[in-house]
Amino acid sequence: EIVMTQSPATLSVSPGERATLSCRASQSVSSNLAWYQQKPGQAPRLLIYGASTRATGIPARFSGSGSGTEFTLTISSLQSEDFAVYYCQQYNNWPPTFGGGTKVEIK
Amino acid sequence: QVQLQESGPGLVKPSQTLSLTCTVSGGSINSGGYYWSWIRQHPGKGLEWIGYIYYSGSTSYNPSLKSRVTISVDTSKNQMSLKLSSVTAADTAVYYCARDLGSGYYYTFFFWGQGTLVTVSS
Repeated sequence: EIVMTQSPATLSVSPGERATLSCRASQSVSSNLAWYQQKPGQAPRLLIYGASTRATGIPARFSGSGSGTEFTLTISSLQSEDFAVYYCQQYNNWPPTFGGGTKVEIK
Repeated sequence: QVQLQESGPGLVKPSQTLSLTCTVSGGSINSGGYYWSWIRQHPGKGLEWIGYIYYSGSTSYNPSLKSRVTISVDTSKNQMSLKLSSVTAADTAVYYCARDLGSGYYYTFFFWGQGTLVTVSS
């Protein structure tokens, strides 16, 4: 099973600033990586798949990059509604596995 | 817009079987082309994929749970179900049903239910 490691565990950012979240896979997952956003009491929401393709309805301020074992989710200018927990997930190898999450909090 | 809704007991006793149902609206499980998954989230923790089912009844389960999991589909009711046997406190979690993105993205989850908390306790 592929282990996904996210860093940092918590990221403190001011509104309007840029946030950069990292995700590392224990072995190559090619570009078969997704990012999700989860707010308290809600289900996760798909943001990015294929490492860099935004899902339908996702604002352009969210972007994903990387391949192999190193991936990044960037939120270019944080809005109040972006403070949440973000998870990466690989689907290159079975079973699909998720990272432990990065909480983006207001600084 | 596809909507999913989980239902079932919120409290299950240890050693018993957890049973949940996911009702789908706004789309048909029977239409094909999509995979329907169960995913769980332990309190304050990350996410764990449990398994999926296709409308034909074909299934795939996480090997960590495979011996205890059964996922089934009732296309006449547009529902899928999860059964997890011999539960322990470690199975306490929020359980989500989800549908994939389509176009072969079996394990990329686009539509989610709101989730239901199941607590295992005597």
